[in-house]
This record gives sequence, C-alpha cells and structure tokens, in this order.
Amino acid sequence: EAGVAQSPRYKIIEKRQSVAFWCNPISGHATLYWYQQILGQGPKLLIQFQNNGVVDDSQLPKDRFSAERLKGVDSTLKIQPAKLEDSAVYLCASSLAGASEKLFFGSGTQLSVL
Amino acid sequence: QKEVEQDPGPLSVPEGAIVSLNCTYSNSAFQYFMWYRQYSRKGPELLMYTYSSGNKEDGRFTAQVDKSSKYISLFIRDSQPSDSATYLCAMSKTGFQKLVFGTGTRLLVSP
Repeated sequence: EAGVAQSPRYKIIEKRQSVAFWCNPISGHATLYWYQQILGQGPKLLIQFQNNGVVDDSQLPKDRFSAERLKGVDSTLKIQPAKLEDSAVYLCASSLAGASEKLFFGSGTQLSVL
Repeated sequence: QKEVEQDPGPLSVPEGAIVSLNCTYSNSAFQYFMWYRQYSRKGPELLMYTYSSGNKEDGRFTAQVDKSSKYISLFIRDSQPSDSATYLCAMSKTGFQKLVFGTGTRLLVSP
C-alpha cells in the first residue's frame, strides 16, 4: 500500500516570497491533516479536512497560510508571504474517517526561509 | 506552561538496556495517549496507543498511563541500535484527532 506522498522534499526561499506544498493521501482516506514541526518541537496541527471540507483550522495563521483540498483527494498548503519563523517541516497525514482512525504521516517538506 | 512536557534528551544507552521515556501533561480532559517514533527526515509513525489509565504491552514496548499523576511512560526492553530515533508522546480528548504532541525525546542506542 502506498503511503502519504509529499512534495517537494526540500524548499529554500527568501522571506516575503511565496511557497506551496503538495500532499497526496493514502487512497480512500477521507481525512487529511497538515502539521507544522519546528526544529526541536513536536508537530502542531494547522488544518484538518474531511473530504474537501475544513473541520478545524483554528491554529492556521490565516493572514499568510491557506490550504485547499479540491475534489477531496490531493491537498496544497500555501504560505504567502513567508516569514523567517515559518522555517519548519510541514507534515501531511491522512486517515480513514472517524476520530478512532490512526494517522499515517508523510515524510514532510522541509522549508527554510532565509 | 505547555500542555504536554517531554524531556528532549538526548538519551544515550547501550544496546540491550531498558529505556524509559516519559511525558507529563496538564489537561485532565485528555483520554487518549499515543507514542510515535520518528526517524530522521521521516514522518512520525504510531508505536502504541492507550485509552485512559493502565498498561499496554506490544513486544518489547510497554506503555503506561497514570491519569491521577498526569504522567505517561514508554518502556523499551532489550533496546536495539535500530530503536535510535525521536520518540514523541501525543494525546487528545477525542481519539486521533486534535493531537497535542510533546517535543520529543531523542534516543541513541549504541552497539
């Protein structure tokens, strides 16, 4: 079974530039999550989708971050404009629908903002 | 005060040692407790999860939850160099959604 796919693997940008990350979840997984993991910290939930609807985006900095999940499959996370403190690994995870379903994480996109 | 506290380590042990990893938390509403393992440049991988208080064993791994003390532990018996990774505790009120992670403890097992 293929896992959660993310791209790009690494990205280096300058502050105030924009960047986008892509995630393809495990086939059949209705729930998709984006987490931010800053170096030395645990992952922090940014946004949760159920199919193509947003379930929770309470910790998403909406002035600069946006995310979409068109057609309820792939998802993109965008940052515009980026700040130095956005340097982190952005992890995508997916699960079957329901709170009791385990999350499967991708390997993440490592973002460096210079 | 963070909701979940975890010593970042690193914790260095020789192969074969018993390893104890711990987390404390402040939110008494947490009911679900998980341990994830994260290898370098990889995403977290679920190791074990428990609901409420008690123990759970899976091979060389044992998870313990003491809700009265707001303290959870992961024990690794007969540790192997392949166990070298960062171990993240995570917890929630409602299963696997809205997880709150600890900072992770880096474990190094030397041959």
